[in-house]
Amino acid sequence: AQSVSQHNHHVILSEAASLELGCNYSYGGTVNLFWYVQYPGQHLQLLLKYFSGDPLVKGIKGFEAEFIKSKFSFNLRKPSVQWSDTAEYFCAVTSGGSYIPTFGRGTSLIVHP
Amino acid sequence: GAGVSQSPSNKVTEKGKDVELRCDPISGHTALYWYRQSLGQGLEFLIYFQGNSAPDKSGLPSDRFSAERTGGSVSTLTIQRTQQEDSAVYLCASSVRGGIGEKLFFGSGTQLSVL
Repeated sequence: AQSVSQHNHHVILSEAASLELGCNYSYGGTVNLFWYVQYPGQHLQLLLKYFSGDPLVKGIKGFEAEFIKSKFSFNLRKPSVQWSDTAEYFCAVTSGGSYIPTFGRGTSLIVHP
Repeated sequence: GAGVSQSPSNKVTEKGKDVELRCDPISGHTALYWYRQSLGQGLEFLIYFQGNSAPDKSGLPSDRFSAERTGGSVSTLTIQRTQQEDSAVYLCASSVRGGIGEKLFFGSGTQLSVL
């Protein structure tokens, strides 16, 4: 069965710092990869996704993620975080023809102004 | 409605009681998912409905859990004889067709507390 690892459970940064959140998955076949975000008091929403093509994916609010197949990774990056990026970030994967995303444990990001 | 609606937003119940959680997906979305999020854990898949197909129940943790989707729209997740370990946020999501790579639209969840 597919599994998703997010190694950073809690990240605390100051504004303008660079961000990289790790995401690794276990299944080695064709995958679709997602990052979802949950801002305080709001519902989960899609930040970006990889379906095919260019492995560097751009999302909303200046986020990007790079699919590295050889490393089974899909790390989320942002060059300069803002206080408003404080949220819970979830990596998710669909694979093996399944329509059901498998989610990681999530990473709590706190950005100090 | 504009988004996925879940009710109630909070539910406190006593151990051993039955609870029903409701999800109203986005109109026209044929796929509906239930997930559970326990404290410090990720989203745990529970059940998936797609159109008129038989649901994928592979994530239900025990036979105390069941779900139905009436008329291809509203879904109800029922937990019988609740236990303290059932305490969690229950999230519902829908997508247009449930196809591979599709974006999920989530509701705000039901926070279930079993005393």
